[in-house]
Amino acid sequence: NAGVTQTPKFRVLKTGQSMTLLCAQDMNHEYMYWYRQDPGMGLRLIHYSVGEGTTAKGEVPDGYNVSRLKKQNFLLGLESAAPSQTSVYFCASSLAGAGYSYTFGSGTRLTVV
Amino acid sequence: GNSVTQMEGPVTLSEEAFLTINCTYTATGYPSLFWYVQYPGEGLQLLLKATKADDKGSNKGFEATYRKETTSFHLEKGSVQVSDSAVYFCALRWYAGGTSYGKLTFGQGTILTVHP
Repeated sequence: NAGVTQTPKFRVLKTGQSMTLLCAQDMNHEYMYWYRQDPGMGLRLIHYSVGEGTTAKGEVPDGYNVSRLKKQNFLLGLESAAPSQTSVYFCASSLAGAGYSYTFGSGTRLTVV
Repeated sequence: GNSVTQMEGPVTLSEEAFLTINCTYTATGYPSLFWYVQYPGEGLQLLLKATKADDKGSNKGFEATYRKETTSFHLEKGSVQVSDSAVYFCALRWYAGGTSYGKLTFGQGTILTVHP
């Protein structure tokens, strides 16, 4: 049981380049999330999805887009990368209901130069 | 709105010392409470949880009790090891049903360093 898998694990982009981060989960979770983690800032929610074909904005959505075409996959896109998007990105998934925890991936470390 | 406040870090202890990391919360309704741990270079892992008042969550020697009267969920361990060095996050989740997705609200994290 792989849980939540993120690819790639590391990436260096030049300013203005685009890329897509892939998140895949094999737990049949309905909900999926993308977070960024910066030093001293904790975790901030970028976008989330409550089901296949649905997405919604989180706290810091500007500069990012997402898609959930299949229940098991949640893609995060950067159309024109900026140095401010240098961060560690985490994907997570969960079932509905307050008693269920989130399962996190191991992260993607992105550097924009 | 919902919020979680953790004690400020970093916390530095010697091996075998007693650990307490304070966590208090503000929430509408009756949330579930969680502690996550993040080891260097890794993602967050669930450490323990409690879903109702007076529940005690425990795992790997760590414990936390859901105290509704003091709105707290303090993390404790009787004897820490060097391998416990990590960042610890307290979090709550409240799900109202319907269109609510039950956002997980995190505290700011507490860095723990344990020296031999």
